[in-house]
Amino acid sequence: GQQLNQSPQSMFIQEGEDVSMNCTSSSIFNTWLWYKQDPGEGPVLLIALYKAGELTSNGRLTAQFGITRKDSFLNISASIPSDVGIYFCAGLRQNFVFGPGTRLSVLP
Amino acid sequence: DAGVIQSPRHEVTEMGQEVTLRCKPISGHDYLFWYRQTMMRGLELLIYFNNNVPIDDSGMPEDRFSAKMPNASFSTLKIQPSEPRDSAVYFCASSSLAGVITDTQYFGPGTRLTVL
Repeated sequence: GQQLNQSPQSMFIQEGEDVSMNCTSSSIFNTWLWYKQDPGEGPVLLIALYKAGELTSNGRLTAQFGITRKDSFLNISASIPSDVGIYFCAGLRQNFVFGPGTRLSVLP
Repeated sequence: DAGVIQSPRHEVTEMGQEVTLRCKPISGHDYLFWYRQTMMRGLELLIYFNNNVPIDDSGMPEDRFSAKMPNASFSTLKIQPSEPRDSAVYFCASSSLAGVITDTQYFGPGTRLTVL
């Protein structure tokens, strides 16, 4: 079946550092989404990507839809403490598939 | 707008009992989604509705699970009988645009279900 892999599973970074995480699959997707989830809350959509090769920014966040349509990455520049949380990628073809998440910790 | 509203926020029940989770989507949204989140399986789409009609229920784990949307402002997810492996956080989300994936898919705060 369709599965998404996210790496790294978790990361600890210093405040101010840039962050890079990615999402890969053996299947092709038509849409890629990136969500952030804070403890005790529902996921919040950060960025949506609809075309292969598309590069989209949302403030300090930048995400790209891979050319092969089998991957996507998310970058966060100049991390701050409130970036802490779990970042999920999701792909859409005929239905939604979510990755297992990348847990980000930011050290002051 | 109050956002997507889910109730209860927490539910603890015993194995074999019926559980009903409730969701009120954002007013005017015509798509409603039910998700389940566990440590082992992550976030899974269970079912989604468009204009109160179930469109894809292929994610519903088994017959013990059922979902209804009697009107545009209310949906339920029912588990009968409940089992310990149903313990998870259940999210409802709603969306307003014509596409299934939109920039406006909003999640509720979730219901944390524990089945003893």
